[in-house]
Amino acid sequence: GENVEQHPSTLSVQEGDSAVIKCTYSDSASNYFPWYKQELGKGPQLIIDIRSNVGEKKDQRIAVTLNKTAKHFSLHITETQPEDSAVYFCAARMNRDDKIIFGKGTRLHILP
Amino acid sequence: GAVVSQHPSWVICKSGTSVKIECRSLDFQATTMFWYRQFPKQSLMLMATSNEGSKATYEQGVEKDKFLINHASLTLSTLTVTSAHPEDSSFYICSARDPMGPPLSAFFGQGTRLTVV
Repeated sequence: GENVEQHPSTLSVQEGDSAVIKCTYSDSASNYFPWYKQELGKGPQLIIDIRSNVGEKKDQRIAVTLNKTAKHFSLHITETQPEDSAVYFCAARMNRDDKIIFGKGTRLHILP
Repeated sequence: GAVVSQHPSWVICKSGTSVKIECRSLDFQATTMFWYRQFPKQSLMLMATSNEGSKATYEQGVEKDKFLINHASLTLSTLTVTSAHPEDSSFYICSARDPMGPPLSAFFGQGTRLTVV
């Protein structure tokens, strides 16, 4: 089955700087890679996603890159703000069974 | 975007009792829903896939007799934790995909925090 590794587990960034979170996946059949933001006591919220036929996608301050050959994908947050503080999860999904498998999460702290 | 709602958002129950958690897709029909479990400061672990009109598919290590899943309609799946014990205390989250929405995208409920005392 699919295995998703995520690094780092904790990340502290000065407000205004950029944050990068990296993930790798094991199953080459995975074709969809969402990123979720989870605030304390709430369910995950989809913030950006990328499909396997695309190498990069951007939405305002958030971007995701995908390297299918190396089986890794990354989340980039620019001009970080205090409200970006949360836990971020990468995930991978295989088309054949619709399951979404999560990485272990990254706790992002934006320092004032 | 599509909305998935869970009820209750939190519940406290006595050890040995059963508790039911509901997951509803509010503006779309979901033939498949997924149930996850999340311990504090940990990731979401897939428990089972809930299929409308048929039996749920459980992940390895998840007791199907303890975590009963019923997906009786296209907008409702329920998870019943039977004979709950303190170690079942966790954050339970469901998700569903809108078959008419963006391909592959899944939406999550707000979660249910279960505390067994």
